[in-house]
Amino acid sequence: DAGVIQSPRHEVTEMGQEVTLRCKPISGHNSLFWYRQTMMRGLELLIYFNNNVPIDDSGMPEDRFSAKMPNASFSTLKIQPSEPRDSAVYFCASSPLAGGRTDTQYFGPGTRLTVL
Amino acid sequence: AQSVTQLDSHVSVSEGTPVLLRCNYSSSYSPSLFWYVQHPNKGLQLLLKYTSAATLVKGINGFEAEFKKSETSFHLTKPSAHMSDAAEYFCVVSPLGDKIIFGKGTRLHILP
Repeated sequence: DAGVIQSPRHEVTEMGQEVTLRCKPISGHNSLFWYRQTMMRGLELLIYFNNNVPIDDSGMPEDRFSAKMPNASFSTLKIQPSEPRDSAVYFCASSPLAGGRTDTQYFGPGTRLTVL
Repeated sequence: AQSVTQLDSHVSVSEGTPVLLRCNYSSSYSPSLFWYVQHPNKGLQLLLKYTSAATLVKGINGFEAEFKKSETSFHLTKPSAHMSDAAEYFCVVSPLGDKIIFGKGTRLHILP
C-alpha cells in the first residue's frame, strides 16, 4: 500500500498567487482530513470529509481557503490569494471509518508551503 | 470544553534509560486517546490508541500508555530509550461527537 500521497512536497510561491495542494487517500478509506502545522500554532485541523462530503470546516482560517473532494480518491486544498502567513506544512490524513475522528488516522508526508 | 495538555515541550533522556512523556486531558465524555510520533520532515504515525478497552495500551516500538480516568492522564512510557526514538510526540484526544484535539507536542531528545 502506497499510503497517503501528497503533492507537491514543496511549494514556493509569491504573495497573491493561487496555491493548490493535492491529496490521494489510502484506497478504501472513508474519512479525509486536512491539517496545518506551524511552530507558533502547532497542528490544526482545517477540515474533514466523510464519504467525500465536508463535515466540519470550522478550522478553515478564512475565505481564502477552500477544499474539495470530488471523488473518494482525490482531494484538493486551495489558497487564493496566498499570503506569507500561510507558510506552513500542510498534512493530509485518511482513516478507514466514516466519522473517523475516533479512528486511527494515516498521515501523508506533508507539503511544505512557503509564501514569499 | 475539551482540551489536551502535554506538560513538557522538551524531554531529554540518556539512551537506555526510561522515557516518560506526560499528557493530561479534559473531556466531558469518555474520549478516544492517541499518541502519534513525528520524525523530522515526516508525517505523523500512530504509536498507540485507547478506545475504552484495557486501560494499559501497548503500542509499537516498545511504547505503552496507561489511561487513568481519576487523574485524567494518558502518559506515554518506554522502559529503555533508543536513539531512534528521538522525535516529536503528540497526545491526541477525540471526544465522541466533538473535535479532535492535538496537544502542542513534546520533543524527545536522546543523549548518547
